[in-house]
Amino acid sequence: DTGVSQDPRHKITKRGQNVTFRCDPISEHNRLYWYRQTLGQGPEFLTYFQNEAQLEKSRLLSDRFSAERPKGSFSTLEIQRTEQGDSAMYLCASSFPTEETQYFGPGTRLLVL
Amino acid sequence: GENVEQHPSTLSVQEGDSAVIKCTYSDSASNYFPWYKQELGKRPQLIIDIRSNVGEKKDQRIAVTLNKTAKHFSLHITETQPEDSAVYFCAPTDSWGKFQFGAGTQVVVTP
Repeated sequence: DTGVSQDPRHKITKRGQNVTFRCDPISEHNRLYWYRQTLGQGPEFLTYFQNEAQLEKSRLLSDRFSAERPKGSFSTLEIQRTEQGDSAMYLCASSFPTEETQYFGPGTRLLVL
Repeated sequence: GENVEQHPSTLSVQEGDSAVIKCTYSDSASNYFPWYKQELGKRPQLIIDIRSNVGEKKDQRIAVTLNKTAKHFSLHITETQPEDSAVYFCAPTDSWGKFQFGAGTQVVVTP
């Protein structure tokens, strides 16, 4: 077990609803990453934080997506007005700032009906 | 941007045989080259990594080789076992240090 946790593990929602996911990184890690993974593909980078600062956002992250890490510990990813194309596994990972290795959480699987 | 390709996309091997997966990348600034294993429904897990100042690294049955000049690195699994069945991803860093995952290689080890 890598120690990164995510909640919920599964989420089913109707199109147009808002959803929020949470990630708790390994406590000593101050870098936190969000990825999206669809079936048969590798994880795609969405955004990352160093402490509470959001340092980069992918073009994949539309205006409906927002991520926060207010105290530099846990992070939330919110999707507003969900669309069927948002259905995917949302993965969180964390790392030390001086190390490249990222440790992944179990993911939140989202299904938008 | 970074272009990462993995070959083959699927690989079926007999138990005990070796498996090799190749990953090619385009960003000459890449300097960290990990391989992740993902079993069905589970999180990606790091199995081995290599940095640009090293050409080869081995950990028991798993090895990674790097050719920076040709911009590719490969995962080698020897004496394959059924529990090696999974999807394997390479994820070289781009010039900003972010991971760029390949599309994955489905490995099936048949007893």
